[in-house]
Amino acid sequence: DVKVTQSSRYLVKRTGEKVFLECVQDMDHENMFWYRQDPGLGLRLIYFSYDVKMKEKGDIPEGYSVSREKKERFSLILESASTNQTSMYLCASSLFFGGGNEKLFFGSGTQLSVL
Amino acid sequence: QQQVKQSPQSLIVQKGGISIINCAYENTAFDYFPWYQQFPGKGPALLIAIRPDVSEKKEGRFTISFNKSAKQFSLHIMDSQPGDSATYFCAATTWGYQKVTFGIGTKLQVIP
Repeated sequence: DVKVTQSSRYLVKRTGEKVFLECVQDMDHENMFWYRQDPGLGLRLIYFSYDVKMKEKGDIPEGYSVSREKKERFSLILESASTNQTSMYLCASSLFFGGGNEKLFFGSGTQLSVL
Repeated sequence: QQQVKQSPQSLIVQKGGISIINCAYENTAFDYFPWYQQFPGKGPALLIAIRPDVSEKKEGRFTISFNKSAKQFSLHIMDSQPGDSATYFCAATTWGYQKVTFGIGTKLQVIP
């Protein structure tokens, strides 16, 4: 089974800190995604990557950046954390879209609190 | 702008009853509609999905009904069980495009 591993389950940071959220997948998937989950807002796409060093903005990229230096690893970076970035962050990966394999595999999430 | 509208946000159903969650979309380019199930402390996992060339898809107790002309689709959980208590997300995407758009989620509680 595909495994998507997020480095931390819970994270507490201070306003203004630079924050790194790490995600690793073990199934050689081309696509990787970062979502944030907030009550009443559902899952919103922050960034995604369809290849190494390639990235595209999602619906809410402001305040975030990403890095994908290796195929299996996708990092989300909060350059200067703010309290409105307190949220559950979910990483996901998928093999391919459009070929009948349209399935996202999610990690268990990182609950980030910015104080 | 919410491209996939989901309702209700929360739902309480008695054991053995039918749970119904509804979704509507605007973008006619959407051609794949998955449902994800999320248990507390876990990430969402694909439950069932449908393409608009069929009006219904059934897998066990879970059925998706799809109305292309109304741009609506719904999830029916027959004989709901306490183990079905979870948050359910409808979603939509387009062939060949990696981005998946999710609804806001429905928190289902099945009570004994």
